[in-house]
Amino acid sequence: GQNIDQPTEMTATEGAIVQINCTYQTSGFNGLFWYQQHAGEAPTFLSYNVLDGLEEKGRFSSFLSRSKGYSYLLLKELQMKDSASYLCAVRVKNTDKLIFGTGTRLQVFP
Amino acid sequence: EAQVTQNPRYLITVTGKKLTVTCSQNMNHEYMSWYRQDPGLGLRQIYYSMNVEVTDKGDVPEGYKVSRKEKRNFPLILESPSPNQTSLYFCASGKVNQPQHFGDGTRLSIL
Repeated sequence: GQNIDQPTEMTATEGAIVQINCTYQTSGFNGLFWYQQHAGEAPTFLSYNVLDGLEEKGRFSSFLSRSKGYSYLLLKELQMKDSASYLCAVRVKNTDKLIFGTGTRLQVFP
Repeated sequence: EAQVTQNPRYLITVTGKKLTVTCSQNMNHEYMSWYRQDPGLGLRQIYYSMNVEVTDKGDVPEGYKVSRKEKRNFPLILESPSPNQTSLYFCASGKVNQPQHFGDGTRLSIL
């Protein structure tokens, strides 16, 4: 079967660093995406990993280990506007389906 | 401006009355997809399309139809809507194996 797990909620302080984990079990793997979604809005793309390792994009980085079925999103220098849900999604190989986790709601406090 | 446009943004209707939610993209993307988002369940894929006249079922296709007659349009059809299809719907598009761009969403209530 297909399964993607993320923590439901996390809290952090402005200026801090937070790591949001995602583990997956899918029948074939063809890339992992992270999206940000503010309440009531559309998801927006943050990062994409298809090979093992770290991808850095400004304050956001994403890591992938295919052998462990594991990814994380690292947010540095947190700002209040980073309060949002963060969605992990896996593209399933040979089907082009995209499976989303239920999302991690991050609250940043002053 | 590159965008994915869904219409309507909000709709309240009654059980059994056929409805169509339109989706259009202006980025010449091959891949288009429909999702529904429900509390505690996250985004679930309904149908997707790799190109014109090619459509495939996602994880929750029951009760829905789609068509892809032109590259830019991917309408979602509910032939006989039921209350369990009350949800927030998103259309998305992208190049194959690339990140998807999402529309602003359609909030559908079926009474």
